[in-house]
Amino acid sequence: AQSVTQLDSHVSVSEGTPVLLRCNYSSSYSPSLFWYVQHPNKGLQLLLKYTSAATLVKGINGFEAEFKKSETSFHLTKPSAHMSDAAEYFCVVRINSGGYQKVTFGIGTKLQVIP
Amino acid sequence: NAGVTQTPKFRVLKTGQSMTLLCAQDMNHEYMYWYRQDPGMGLRLIHYSVGEGTTAKGEVPDGYNVSRLKKQNFLLGLESAAPSQTSVYFCASTGTLNTGELFFGEGSRLTVL
Repeated sequence: AQSVTQLDSHVSVSEGTPVLLRCNYSSSYSPSLFWYVQHPNKGLQLLLKYTSAATLVKGINGFEAEFKKSETSFHLTKPSAHMSDAAEYFCVVRINSGGYQKVTFGIGTKLQVIP
Repeated sequence: NAGVTQTPKFRVLKTGQSMTLLCAQDMNHEYMYWYRQDPGMGLRLIHYSVGEGTTAKGEVPDGYNVSRLKKQNFLLGLESAAPSQTSVYFCASTGTLNTGELFFGEGSRLTVL
């Protein structure tokens, strides 16, 4: 079984301040982990992914995430928020074991950026 | 560079009516998925396909049917729409299991009155 917990449904930051969006997961297998971003009335776009290589993953638009196996976490960070970062962010876990694949989405975190 | 295209983008139905959502991808992907997105619930998998001619149930398949007659197309059908099926529907595809990126369409907003 696997699950994803996004610890905050809403996060509000001031423009220019750091962003932290938290994600914890559980999985019986070695997972691949992803962060997607969804702007209003748009589809989901991949920000970054972890696939058992480097534990610190850099993505688009200055975002990065660190895979911490001991803490079962994959938190998303950005040093300085921009107005265009206002969107909803989804943490995703995927496993592939013996041809069986399962994808689980977190419930999402809405990021508000205050000017 | 179309990627994943969903049609229609908006639709309003009356209870009991039927309709079909079309998903088309031009990336030669084997794997295609239909999700529904509801507030506070993230994305939930309705049905998926691992190749042309194959389909399988996801988490919330009841009230929906799917078909994958051509590799590039994945159709989602509602035979008798219910208000509980009011949602935003997303199609996604990938060419590689586990590590491959899921590519999403822009969504289809369905309202059932």
